[in-house]
Amino acid sequence: KQEVTQIPAALSVPEGENLVLNCSFTDSAIYNLQWFRQDPGKGLTSLLLIQSSQREQTSGRLNASLDKSSGRSTLYIAASQPGDSATYLCAVKHSGSRLTFGEGTQLTVNP
Amino acid sequence: ETGVTQTPRHLVMGMTNKKSLKCEQHLGHNAMYWYKQSAKKPLELMFVYNFKEQTENNSVPSRFSPECPNSSHLFLHLHTLQPEDSALYLCASSSFGSGVTGELFFGEGSRLTVL
Repeated sequence: KQEVTQIPAALSVPEGENLVLNCSFTDSAIYNLQWFRQDPGKGLTSLLLIQSSQREQTSGRLNASLDKSSGRSTLYIAASQPGDSATYLCAVKHSGSRLTFGEGTQLTVNP
Repeated sequence: ETGVTQTPRHLVMGMTNKKSLKCEQHLGHNAMYWYKQSAKKPLELMFVYNFKEQTENNSVPSRFSPECPNSSHLFLHLHTLQPEDSALYLCASSSFGSGVTGELFFGEGSRLTVL
């Protein structure tokens, strides 16, 4: 059974800091890994999608890496801003259409 | 705007009521999903539909009844719910099949409270 773990569960940083969120998964037989952002009471917004054959993806200040063999992904956020405050979720796609989500990292960026 | 619209955004119902949640996607996707998000728990997959056919039912109680009349619309019919069913219900869609990325797009969710 695929299990996804996100560390840390919560993170508070001052504005402008670069930070790394971690995601690990137990079964390396994945199709892709997707990072999402969720604001309180809202749905999930897709940030980055990494296919199993890729090592990383970049979008603006965000960079996500994937090391399938070790079962790890990181989301790097450069020059953090208060507007980045949200819960960040990673999800791995495996066995057809099934996605398994981590519990998320709650990020607070202080002005 | 993600291209996935859910209604209603908020719903309060008693345990004997019958209500439905609706999801519509305008992305041309062929797969649609229902997820449940409870406080302090990871998202739980409930149902998956590919080309209107149900392909996954993650041991969901029968008081939740999905319906997918076409690839753009998905419903979740609710009947005789329990207070512990109170949660945020999220609909998502994606393309499914070889040669596609399979990126998942979510709606804003329907916040359900069962009294």
